[in-house]
Amino acid sequence: GQQLNQSPQSMFIQEGEDVSMNCTSSSIFNTWLWYKQDPGEGPVLLIALYKAGELTSNGRLTAQFGITRKDSFLNISASIPSDVGIYFCAGHGANSKLTFGKGITLSVRP
Amino acid sequence: NAGVTQTPKFQVLKTGQSMTLQCAQDMNHNSMYWYRQDPGMGLRLIYYSASEGTTDKGEVPNGYNVSRLNKREFSLRLESAAPSQTSVYFCASSASPSYEQYFGPGTRLTVT
Repeated sequence: GQQLNQSPQSMFIQEGEDVSMNCTSSSIFNTWLWYKQDPGEGPVLLIALYKAGELTSNGRLTAQFGITRKDSFLNISASIPSDVGIYFCAGHGANSKLTFGKGITLSVRP
Repeated sequence: NAGVTQTPKFQVLKTGQSMTLQCAQDMNHNSMYWYRQDPGMGLRLIYYSASEGTTDKGEVPNGYNVSRLNKREFSLRLESAAPSQTSVYFCASSASPSYEQYFGPGTRLTVT
């Protein structure tokens, strides 16, 4: 089946630093979504991408839909303590089912 | 505008007991979903309803049933709970199956 790969499982950065995460697949996806999940909460949609090559920003977050349609990245600039959480990528493949990556846990050191 | 709401937030069941998890959305979405989230396994789709009046199995449907009561509400039933069903359950909705999904806050279920 379709799989999305996110690595590493955990990232540790200093407050104020920028961080980049990517999500890759061997299959083509028609949409890419990025979610953030805080402890004890449900995933919250950060950015949705619908066209290959699309670059979209949401405040300090920027995400891109890869030209090959097999990858996407999320950048967080000037990180702050509340950026701590788990970041999931997700995508709709040919069957329109939403596939999720396993997530990256981000820690921000003050 | 509450988005997606779920009840209850927490539940403890004994093996063999039954219960229904409730989900409602106020975004006029056509499609609704139930997921479970387990450590190391990510989010797995249990059942979904692409539109009112239809339901389909997802990746892990065994031991569960669903009802799309109307456009707003989609419930998940455990007829005979098992310890393997201890998990966090999330409901989600989207305008259609190919669009972004919005999640509820989750129900934390423990089966002893």
